[in-house]
Amino acid sequence: AQSVTQLGSHVSVSEGALVLLRCNYSSSVPPYLFWYVQYPNQGLQLLLKYTSAATLVKGINGFEAEFKKSETSFHLTKPSAHMSDAAEYFCAVSGDTGRRALTFGSGTRLQVQP
Amino acid sequence: DTGVSQDPRHKITKRGQNVTFRCDPISEHNRLYWYRQTLGQGPEFLTYFQNEAQLEKSRLLSDRFSAERPKGSFSTLEIQRTEQGDSAMYLCASSFEGAVYGYTFGSGTRLTVV
Repeated sequence: AQSVTQLGSHVSVSEGALVLLRCNYSSSVPPYLFWYVQYPNQGLQLLLKYTSAATLVKGINGFEAEFKKSETSFHLTKPSAHMSDAAEYFCAVSGDTGRRALTFGSGTRLQVQP
Repeated sequence: DTGVSQDPRHKITKRGQNVTFRCDPISEHNRLYWYRQTLGQGPEFLTYFQNEAQLEKSRLLSDRFSAERPKGSFSTLEIQRTEQGDSAMYLCASSFEGAVYGYTFGSGTRLTVV
């Protein structure tokens, strides 16, 4: 079984502030972990992925995430928020080294205040 | 490569009618996935194909839902006798050999049942 919990359905930050979006996972087998971003009325775009190599993963648009097995976490961060980062962010897990279909969290809506 | 295409983008139908959606994946991707997303939620897995074989179906996929992928290329998702609870965004994604490379999502088909 695999599942994802995203803490905080809404996060609001000021432009230039640190972005931290939280994700905890549950998987009975070694997980592959992903962050996706969704803009209104669009599909999901891959931000970054962890596939059992380096635990600190860098993605597009300045985002990065750290895999912490002891905490079963994969939190997404960005040092300085930009207005264009406002979107919905989804964490997802695929068990069995990526052979299972992705299971998504319920999402976190990021607002960036000027 | 034009990405994953979904048609139509929007569909409004009366309760009880049948609807069919189409997805054209990236041509070299052998896996194709269908997800459903309701407002404020993450995508929920429905089913996936490897080439033309349907390998997994979610319990969400009631007997009113059927999906096909003839010849391992495009896929169709049909909903028979639509209900108001079927109103959602239906997302298609494709990948090469599982989640390790991430999925490429289409822009989705928004279904409204009135």
